[in-house]
Amino acid sequence: AQKITQTQPGMFVQEKEAVTLDCTYDTSDQSYGLFWYKQPSSGEMIFLIYQGSYDEQNATEGRYSLNFQKARKSANLVISASQLGDSAMYFCAMREAYSGAGSYQLTFGKGTKLSVIP
Amino acid sequence: DTAVSQTPKYLVTQMGNDKSIKCEQNLGHDTMYWYKQDSKKFLKIMFSYNNKELIINETVPNRFSPKSPDKAHLNLHINSLELGDSAVYFCASSHRTGGNSPLHFGNGTRLTVT
Repeated sequence: AQKITQTQPGMFVQEKEAVTLDCTYDTSDQSYGLFWYKQPSSGEMIFLIYQGSYDEQNATEGRYSLNFQKARKSANLVISASQLGDSAMYFCAMREAYSGAGSYQLTFGKGTKLSVIP
Repeated sequence: DTAVSQTPKYLVTQMGNDKSIKCEQNLGHDTMYWYKQDSKKFLKIMFSYNNKELIINETVPNRFSPKSPDKAHLNLHINSLELGDSAVYFCASSHRTGGNSPLHFGNGTRLTVT
């Protein structure tokens, strides 16, 4: 079973509008972290925002906010006032509780390609 | 600049060859990773090292051998390259302590096997 599901392969948004990119996750851990990354066409992976499972408030970073609904196991990324430069692939990722094996890896979803229309 | 840097950026080679990708980070992180991004953009963990010690080795052919001479470097050597190895390989690093530590990625190495 997929641990991270991003159901929208592609999304379009008008410039200056807000857009929500969906992410649901599957874990039995109580302690975990959720991350969003942006990958523009140039290929680099850019960290955007983090939400911890125990954080009571939704994370925000500038125009990015995370709509965290723990009971529904969803961590949607909201981008406000979209800009042309927001056109990119967006990946949701999860880090599960630290295990004895010392795993700090991130498990990624398949991504959503966002296109901002002028 | 503080960053994760990997070389080369592009690597074109023929089947059967052996090649290496180098990665260095100067962020003071103690954990480094190799991820593979396939043609559909899916990112999958290959290896993870903490303080030069291998801690994750996913189901990767043993033609792939990571080497970490120190905690700032994690190189990837690939023997007997196959067409299916064509992908973008990302090196990344993070702090081990603190579950909120994001991975910092290098810019990727696009490997094309012909």
